[in-house]
Amino acid sequence: ETGVTQSPTHLIKTRGQQVTLRCSSQSGHNTVSWYQQALGQGPQFIFQYYREEENGRGNFPPRFSGLQFPNYSSELNVNALELDDSALYLCASSLILGISGANVLTFGAGSRLTVL
Amino acid sequence: AQSVTQLDSHVSVSEGTPVLLRCNYSSSYSPSLFWYVQHPNKGLQLLLKYTSAATLVKGINGFEAEFKKSETSFHLTKPSAHMSDAAEYFCVVSDSGASKIIFGSGTRLSIRP
Repeated sequence: ETGVTQSPTHLIKTRGQQVTLRCSSQSGHNTVSWYQQALGQGPQFIFQYYREEENGRGNFPPRFSGLQFPNYSSELNVNALELDDSALYLCASSLILGISGANVLTFGAGSRLTVL
Repeated sequence: AQSVTQLDSHVSVSEGTPVLLRCNYSSSYSPSLFWYVQHPNKGLQLLLKYTSAATLVKGINGFEAEFKKSETSFHLTKPSAHMSDAAEYFCVVSDSGASKIIFGSGTRLSIRP
């Protein structure tokens, strides 16, 4: 069973640019969620995708957007980068069965974004 | 609205002594609660989960947590700390539909030899 893989592992961008981060879900999982973890803080929930549609979102502006593909892989896109977007971006996949159920997350190692 | 508060940003214990990491939550729903651990330069790993079954939950590496609804707490404990337990620990609350997931700010656990 493969885990969650993220790419790239590190990248540097300048203010105003756009970035795309990628995530491959664990085999058998149908849901992917993204988190922003600033230095010394806990992960902040950005959004979650289930069956290729966003089904939950945290307090992030619309310039944070995403996609989930039929193979359950996912992208996180951030437009008009700001200095405060510098963080570790974590992707997690899970298997949701029905409406209710514990969402046990399997995390990737993250993509570290630095905005200059 | 949901929230989670980890009451200690840093806990330091001696090897072989008990560990207590405190977590309080607030939820309008019947929540699912989790503890995750993050070792330096490694991904987050699930320690244990509570999903309205037994209130005392056992996890990996000797950790356990007790769900106390009256106190809205979900504290993490371990009888005897090991050097390898040094890491950052996160308490997490999720609503029943799993459409919103909230992490606490984390507790850094240090182990003294």
